[in-house]
Order: sequence, then C-alpha cells, then structure tokens
Amino acid sequence: DTAVSQTPKYLVTQMGNDKSIKCEQNLGHDTMYWYKQDSKKFLKIMFSYNNKELIINETVPNRFSPKSPDKAHLNLHINSLELGDSAVYFCASSQAGGQGVYFGAGTRLSVL
Amino acid sequence: AQSVAQPEDQVNVAEGNPLTVKCTYSVSGNPYLFWYVQYPNRGLQFLLKYITGDNLVKGSYGFEAEFNKSQTSFHLKKPSALVSDSALYFCAVRDAGFNKFYFGSGTKLNVKP
Repeated sequence: DTAVSQTPKYLVTQMGNDKSIKCEQNLGHDTMYWYKQDSKKFLKIMFSYNNKELIINETVPNRFSPKSPDKAHLNLHINSLELGDSAVYFCASSQAGGQGVYFGAGTRLSVL
Repeated sequence: AQSVAQPEDQVNVAEGNPLTVKCTYSVSGNPYLFWYVQYPNRGLQFLLKYITGDNLVKGSYGFEAEFNKSQTSFHLKKPSALVSDSALYFCAVRDAGFNKFYFGSGTKLNVKP
C-alpha cells in the first residue's frame, strides 16, 4: 500500500485553466503538507494542515487553495494557471513527535 | 528561525571511495535533523534522523550522519560509495513547535564507476 498517494502524476494544461491535485495518506498522520519543487530542485513549503486546519500558509498566491475534507486528505486547487506555476508538487504527511515527513511521488505540472 | 544549508550543489566521488555530503543548521532549541534522498522523477525518501542520543546516526542503504553540536553540522557519510547512490540529497530540520520541516537546497551526488 502506498503511504502517501497523489494524483495525477502528470498534468499538462494551458495558461488560464484551473486544475486540482488530490492527495491521500494512510499513515494515520495528523499533519499534511504541500511542497513545490522548482526547476532548480529547490523544495519550498506551501501549506500545512493539522487535523483539517490550516496552520501554515507560506505567502502563496491566493490562486492556490488547499482543501482538507478530513485529516487523511489534502487537495490543492489552482486557479488561472500561469507559466511560473510549472513545477513538481509534492504532498507529504507527518506525525507529532520526532518523526520525519513522508512524501508522495509528486505531480509534475506543466503550464503551456 | 530554523534553517539548514547545504554548501555544495554537487559532489563527485568514485565508486568505492568514501563520500560526505555537508549540511549545517541553525535552530533555536534542540535540533531535529533529517536526511532525505530523491531519485529522478521520485518523491523524497527518508534516510535517517537525529533527535537525541549518539552523535553518529545510522540509516538506510549504509548511510550514516554525524551530528556535531559545536560546528552545528550534520554531514551525511558513507564509507564506500555505489553508483546507485547517485541522486539528490536533502538535509532538513524540523521546527517542532509548528511541525514544519525546512529543507536545504539539495546536493547532487554523482558516483562514477
């Protein structure tokens, strides 16, 4: 069983479109994240949710809207896609305490 | 604020030789430190962590890391590199108060046969 799964794996779309990425974790973790990895492989946190509540929003444009229907799911909706949104988006989860963070396989978004 | 720095964009090493990938950290309070590896077109995979205890931490695939409080470093090491170790390596620190992870900029490890 995949611990953190996200869909789709690839997303190719035109500028101005709206798209969503879904994420689910079966680890029983309380905290979920969205990270963006740019073309230089730099990994930046976008959002963090703890038990369905938003706790971190790292100055991400409001075209990006996360939604957490329950603590096992964290979806990301992006409105009016721009060329600069092209990146790999990783979903991740963690639990309180000294544990690490577990990543999904990533969604490669290409905006044309 | 918590942060980690990886001073090398790339490390080249011959197969069979020892390897070191460097990481320094800046934290307030006790550091929770991690190393992750990313293979092409894959997500990040956990390698090892330091929370407390022995300064030498052993992890997956024969990797280990040495926590040095006086130098605020957490370098990743392996005694004998394999070609299959070639990947992107990330150091990370956890802000326990916010359950938030800060990642370094990544170091590309190239192991040549």
